[in-house]
Amino acid sequence: NAGVTQTPKFQVLKTGQSMTLQCAQDMNHEYMSWYRQDPGMGLRLIHYSVGAGITDQGEVPNGYNVSRSTTEDFPLRLLSAAPSQTSVYFCASSYGLDEQFFGPGTRLTVL
Amino acid sequence: GENVEQHPSTLSVQEGDSAVIKCTYSDSASNYFPWYKQELGKRPQLIIDIRSNVGEKKDQRIAVTLNKTAKHFSLHITETQPEDSAVYFCAAMRRGSTLGRLYFGRGTQLTVWP
Repeated sequence: NAGVTQTPKFQVLKTGQSMTLQCAQDMNHEYMSWYRQDPGMGLRLIHYSVGAGITDQGEVPNGYNVSRSTTEDFPLRLLSAAPSQTSVYFCASSYGLDEQFFGPGTRLTVL
Repeated sequence: GENVEQHPSTLSVQEGDSAVIKCTYSDSASNYFPWYKQELGKRPQLIIDIRSNVGEKKDQRIAVTLNKTAKHFSLHITETQPEDSAVYFCAAMRRGSTLGRLYFGRGTQLTVWP
């Protein structure tokens, strides 16, 4: 099993550009989520999904979109990148509401 | 929603000493409390968790205690080693709910000096 994978590992965007962060898992987990990690702020939930076709907002959803068309994939879209979105993004998955397995992260810089 | 507060934000201990990190939560319906360890540049990984029907759980040098009445839980690391140096996050969740949100504390940077 590859576990939770994320691409890209690093990304630099200009203000106003859009992009998609990819997340995939091969553990047949129903629950997937996206977090952003900023210094001193811990991990904050952006969006999450409890199964294919079902998504919901977390604490900091503004400026991000998600969709869940398959169990395996949960992409995060930045609609119009802003410097405030500079962060490290982690995708996580779990079987039910239990231990969450995190991906390796994507370090995003918005200039 | 849930609010999880974690203290201290930084903690330095000598190798062999014990380390204690404390967290409080606001939602009395929360019933699952995991602890994650994140080494520098790595992803968070679960080290121990506790459910609300249990007051204490141990795994070798790591233990977690839960006080539901006071709404706080703590991580205890005994006989600390340099490899315990990392950022530790506590979290709280209301399992069994369709919401299923995991709320994290802001983290504790633990440094263990040899």
